[in-house]
Amino acid sequence: DAGVIQSPRHEVTEMGQEVTLRCKPISGHNSLFWYRQTMMRGLELLIYFNNNVPIDDSGMPEDRFSAKMPNASFSTLKIQPSEPRDSAVYFCASSSSGTSVLSRYFGPGTRLTVT
Amino acid sequence: QKEVEQDPGPLSVPEGAIVSLNCTYSNSAFQYFMWYRQYSRKGPELLMYTYSSGNKEDGRFTAQVDKSSKYISLFIRDSQPSDSATYLCAMSAPYGGATNKLIFGTGTLLAVQP
Repeated sequence: DAGVIQSPRHEVTEMGQEVTLRCKPISGHNSLFWYRQTMMRGLELLIYFNNNVPIDDSGMPEDRFSAKMPNASFSTLKIQPSEPRDSAVYFCASSSSGTSVLSRYFGPGTRLTVT
Repeated sequence: QKEVEQDPGPLSVPEGAIVSLNCTYSNSAFQYFMWYRQYSRKGPELLMYTYSSGNKEDGRFTAQVDKSSKYISLFIRDSQPSDSATYLCAMSAPYGGATNKLIFGTGTLLAVQP
């Protein structure tokens, strides 16, 4: 199994630009999570999907952030317009309700820098 | 006050030392307690988990939960340079399925010197 796949691995963009992060969860997993990690705030849950449906987006910082999961094998996190304070590492994770509820399989992350 | 507090370190120890990593929490509803390990430039990976109170041992790693004090610990015996990583605690209240929300600590950076 290839694990959770994220792209791009690194993204450098200018303030005001649109940023799209992509995630392919592990095949067969029906839950998908987007996290953001910074030194100050640690790992924060932004949104999670169950069976492609957004269940809780209370962690999305503001309307500039949006996430979609059009099918079981693909999700996007979009920031429009981006701001320097959005600079962080964004992780996608997946899990299966058929396995331990505690297992989150994380991708390698996308390191976003907004200048 | 954050729900989960964790000393960021860094913690530097010589090879072979016993390492103690700790977290405190404020939400008494937490029942699942986890430790994740994160190597530099990688995603976190689940190391151990415990349910409710007590100890759990897995090789050189021991996880302890003291719910009365709202305090959890991870002990690493005979630490190795390969243990150098950031260790994150995570906790969850049980409300069903894989959608349990995990609350993470900010992580403790551990460096084991050869």
